[in-house]
Amino acid sequence: EVQLVESGGGLVQPGGSLRLSCKASGFNFSSYWMSWVRQAPGKGLEWVGTIKNDGREKFSVDPFKGRFTVSRDNAKNSLFLQMDSLRVEDTAVYYCVRDGLLVTAWFDPWGQGTLVTVSS
Amino acid sequence: EIVMTQSPATLSVSPGQRATLSCRASQSVSTNLAWYQQRPGQAPRLLFYGASTRATGIPARFSGSGSGTEFTLTISSLQSEDFAIYYCQHYSDFPTFGQGTKVEIK
Repeated sequence: EVQLVESGGGLVQPGGSLRLSCKASGFNFSSYWMSWVRQAPGKGLEWVGTIKNDGREKFSVDPFKGRFTVSRDNAKNSLFLQMDSLRVEDTAVYYCVRDGLLVTAWFDPWGQGTLVTVSS
Repeated sequence: EIVMTQSPATLSVSPGQRATLSCRASQSVSTNLAWYQQRPGQAPRLLFYGASTRATGIPARFSGSGSGTEFTLTISSLQSEDFAIYYCQHYSDFPTFGQGTKVEIK
């Protein structure tokens, strides 16, 4: 069974840092691009960033560039999201998702999500 | 950035009736379009990719269509478990999601 399990969420003060982890199983992790998607309370889905299968290239957009870093350890079938300079508006459930083979694609499956709360 | 717009925001449908959800892209995404279902308290689940290819385990009452900028998700006969929020997402370049359509019981 293909499975993604996130961990590392919690309460952090504004300006603080947090590192999320995602443990993958049931598929050849090193072959797939991987991504993070977030969902603020009561809101829609927002793509955070993507990393290629070999970890050599990463993609993100302006709200996250310079603050959030996606990385991976293929030997440990793990994906990470390092979040720095956190803001109240970063409060959300963060999902780890499997992306495509060789190109970005649809997201399947999704992890159960981990809640990050940024508050003083 | 390609903007995805879903309509309506909320759709009230009686069980057993048909539901039609729309998704529009601000520029062509070919068929690089996915649909997801999110039930309350759960993670999203993939329904369709390639605009019309049903994901594993998705019932036949769900169908997806469209290409370019106009896409449709149809649920032919709504069951109780289908009342949820549905999102479209393109993957033509940096992915973006629509804002979602909530399908509620009428």
